[in-house]
Amino acid sequence: SQQGEEDPQALSIQEGENATMNCSYKTSINNLQWYRQNSGRGLVHLILIRSNEREKHSGRLRVTLDTSKKSSSLLITASRAADTASYFCASENQAGTALIFGKGTTLSVSS
Amino acid sequence: GAGVSQSPSNKVTEKGKDVELRCDPISGHTALYWYRQRLGQGLEFLIYFQGNSAPDKSGLPSDRFSAERTGESVSTLTIQRTQQEDSAVYLCASSVLAGGLSEQFFGPGTRLTVL
Repeated sequence: SQQGEEDPQALSIQEGENATMNCSYKTSINNLQWYRQNSGRGLVHLILIRSNEREKHSGRLRVTLDTSKKSSSLLITASRAADTASYFCASENQAGTALIFGKGTTLSVSS
Repeated sequence: GAGVSQSPSNKVTEKGKDVELRCDPISGHTALYWYRQRLGQGLEFLIYFQGNSAPDKSGLPSDRFSAERTGESVSTLTIQRTQQEDSAVYLCASSVLAGGLSEQFFGPGTRLTVL
């Protein structure tokens, strides 16, 4: 079963607007990661937030983590057309051997 | 090497044939993973290799699927007697540390189409 579930499934915004994607997970985690995927091919790691962190920034990205609610959010500020992609959250499976990914949020940024 | 590489990038095969997919991880990465992604879906974990430890095969969907890795280098994923439902992108990833402890670096994937 999927560990992470992203919300919304699809998001369409205009360039310059902010995009917020949410992720919920089911079991306790050591960390949570966000990935980006263009055109259904390889994923690119965006950011990793540890369970003892509440917020982390990387450029135009801001990730929050609420372990009490088992949820995380990814905020992309001042979006660009090039941000158009699918975004996935991922956390470890219980065996600690792999990442479990949600179905992703498809973001479309129009100019 | 610059990153994780996979071959072939695309594979079209007929139902019932066997296919072999290859992954070259980043040098020095002890952990290697195979995932499957069906159209419009998230990634399904298939199998994990960590050094010389026994692989975690818990994600393999049937006994038609198998994978091997020689030491900390190349891995091959074999699908025997392919079925149409095997059509998907097969992604390989490698990482320095096991599981979710560090970021995973993904290859570009192999798009498998079973006719």
